[in-house]
Amino acid sequence: DTEVTQTPKHLVMGMTNKKSLKCEQHMGHRAMYWYKQKAKKPPELMFVYSYEKLSINESVPSRFSPECPNSSLLNLHLHALQPEDSALYLCASSRWGLAGGRGTDTQYFGPGTRLTVL
Amino acid sequence: SQQGEEDPQALSIQEGENATMNCSYKTSINNLQWYRQNSGRGLVHLILIRSNEREKHSGRLRVTLDTSKKSSSLLITASRAADTASYFCATGNSGGSNYKLTFGKGTLLTVNP
Repeated sequence: DTEVTQTPKHLVMGMTNKKSLKCEQHMGHRAMYWYKQKAKKPPELMFVYSYEKLSINESVPSRFSPECPNSSLLNLHLHALQPEDSALYLCASSRWGLAGGRGTDTQYFGPGTRLTVL
Repeated sequence: SQQGEEDPQALSIQEGENATMNCSYKTSINNLQWYRQNSGRGLVHLILIRSNEREKHSGRLRVTLDTSKKSSSLLITASRAADTASYFCATGNSGGSNYKLTFGKGTLLTVNP
């Protein structure tokens, strides 16, 4: 199984709502990532979990809160978002944790969640 | 700051033709990867070439890496309409940012049937 799944596929929320994005992989990968991608732009790294611990936060606003309940699951909790947060949110995983620069190995991406903030 | 810069930004060809995309980068790398993204979907890993490799093949894909020029190229031979997508190069950097891939701006490839 070389698949990363993400739910929901689409999400529309108001600025006062609280919602969560979910990501799952069953490849035994030890690093998981959240990216944000705006239209016609490359993905931008948000967070990295390595061995279920938050290792990297790329100065993301606190209205985005990641969580890694276990080695297969990654959540992104959303609260009080702004319209400019509307984007495609991609989850990815890679085989190894980040030690020794292994975070730069092949990453496997999910299909993404298209988020619209009204 | 973005590491890779793809060239061209957009490319339109006929089915059966070859497509060549280039990527330039600025700092030392561990590896360089190419990903494909169909419109509004996730990225699919195509190929990884390590800094000590010069050329790699995978099916209809051929990737070259010239570390002296800090550049790479992706060649897709005998293109098909299904190859229509955005193509991103991503560099795995050595040194201070060696925990992450840095993506270029991408090339939008359109293959006309």
